[in-house]
Amino acid sequence: DQQVKQNSPSLSVQEGRISILNCDYTNSMFDYFLWYKKYPAEGPTFLISISSIKDKNEDGRFTVFLNKSAKHLSLHIVPSQPGDSAVYFCAARSLSKNTDKLIFGTGTRLQVFP
Amino acid sequence: DADVTQTPRNRITKTGKRIMLECSQTKGHDRMYWYRQDPGLGLRLIYYSFDVKDINKGEISDGYSVSRQAQAKFSLSLESAIPNQTALYFCATGGANSYEQYFGPGTRLTVT
Repeated sequence: DQQVKQNSPSLSVQEGRISILNCDYTNSMFDYFLWYKKYPAEGPTFLISISSIKDKNEDGRFTVFLNKSAKHLSLHIVPSQPGDSAVYFCAARSLSKNTDKLIFGTGTRLQVFP
Repeated sequence: DADVTQTPRNRITKTGKRIMLECSQTKGHDRMYWYRQDPGLGLRLIYYSFDVKDINKGEISDGYSVSRQAQAKFSLSLESAIPNQTALYFCATGGANSYEQYFGPGTRLTVT
């Protein structure tokens, strides 16, 4: 039962254009959503997050949008750069009783070409 | 120096062998986690620990055990390795009340 879904396993974008990575979730109790970026042979690194009480958070070239009614979030990268080529994981925080854990999606591999 | 280190980085072992993966962190965080990554399945939580005396099972704990030797150390053991435990394993840390986790570089484990 995949609670966090990234339906696009890969995305290819030209340098300078916008990259849009999508993520859907099923649990309306998630209170934080995060994006992690992973390069080969490295661990994932935190990129950007958004609280469930907001609908947008921006950090430089990266913007995350949250649509709670649709249970959907997206990561926009503008402009895309070759160094952005990586696997991006969407994650959601599940907070209940004494549990505080992240549930990750399956990842989207972004390739930015010149 | 890396904040979260994992040893070994690569390991090949045979079915039935016992193996331990080790994780150390210098961030001073209370919380530590073990995940495995498989192609098409993303990151799945194996075990997590909120302090030295607190150990919790994650989504896929069967076949694994953990030990929290100190605040900074969290090890993952496969008592009797099987081929479908071939995966990339990540350790992560997080501060109390923090939803942001910091990952180690990973251990690539192959069970033949």
